[in-house]
Amino acid sequence: NAGVTQTPKFRILKIGQSMTLQCTQDMNHNYMYWYRQDPGMGLKLIYYSVGAGITDKGEVPNGYNVSRSTTEDFPLRLELAAPSQTSVYFCASSYFRGLGEKLFFGSGTQLSVL
Amino acid sequence: EDKVVQSPLSLVVHEGDTVTLNCSYEVTNFRSLLWYKQEKKAPTFLFMLTSSGIEKKSGRLSSILDKKELFSILNITATQTGDSAVYLCAVEGASGTYKYIFGTGTRLKVLA
Repeated sequence: NAGVTQTPKFRILKIGQSMTLQCTQDMNHNYMYWYRQDPGMGLKLIYYSVGAGITDKGEVPNGYNVSRSTTEDFPLRLELAAPSQTSVYFCASSYFRGLGEKLFFGSGTQLSVL
Repeated sequence: EDKVVQSPLSLVVHEGDTVTLNCSYEVTNFRSLLWYKQEKKAPTFLFMLTSSGIEKKSGRLSSILDKKELFSILNITATQTGDSAVYLCAVEGASGTYKYIFGTGTRLKVLA
């Protein structure tokens, strides 16, 4: 089972460049999330989606955009990369069924903005 | 504002020691608390707790939740070097929609 797949695994950007981090899941999960993790810190929620066509901001959304055109895919867009966006990015998903549900994580994307 | 606080921030022990990691929370409409272990990359799931007083156990690891006092503990007995990792606590709440709030983690280092 593939689970949650993120690409790329590593990327170096120059200040002002743009890129899209890809995330896809094959578990038919309705909820998807993007987190960032700075060195020595926990995970901060950037954006999340409760279903296709529905997205909302998390704790740290500035400088990012998302879309959710299908249940499977939830790409994260950085429009004008800044050094403050150097971080490890994790995509995650869960299936809301009215009970507590665990998060499934992708393997992460390590992004450096120089 | 929802928050999750973990303590201690870091811990160094020797193999064979027992450790207790703490997670306290203030989250709207609590649904569940999850513990994850993070070694190199993606966090891996350990436990999900939804009810007070019921211990979850997996080998040398165990966890329990106190919904009255709003905290959980993760115990690791007879620690091994392979237990060295960051342990993350996340709380699932429902303030309009369903979200997971993470603590900053506890970095555990087990020395041989």
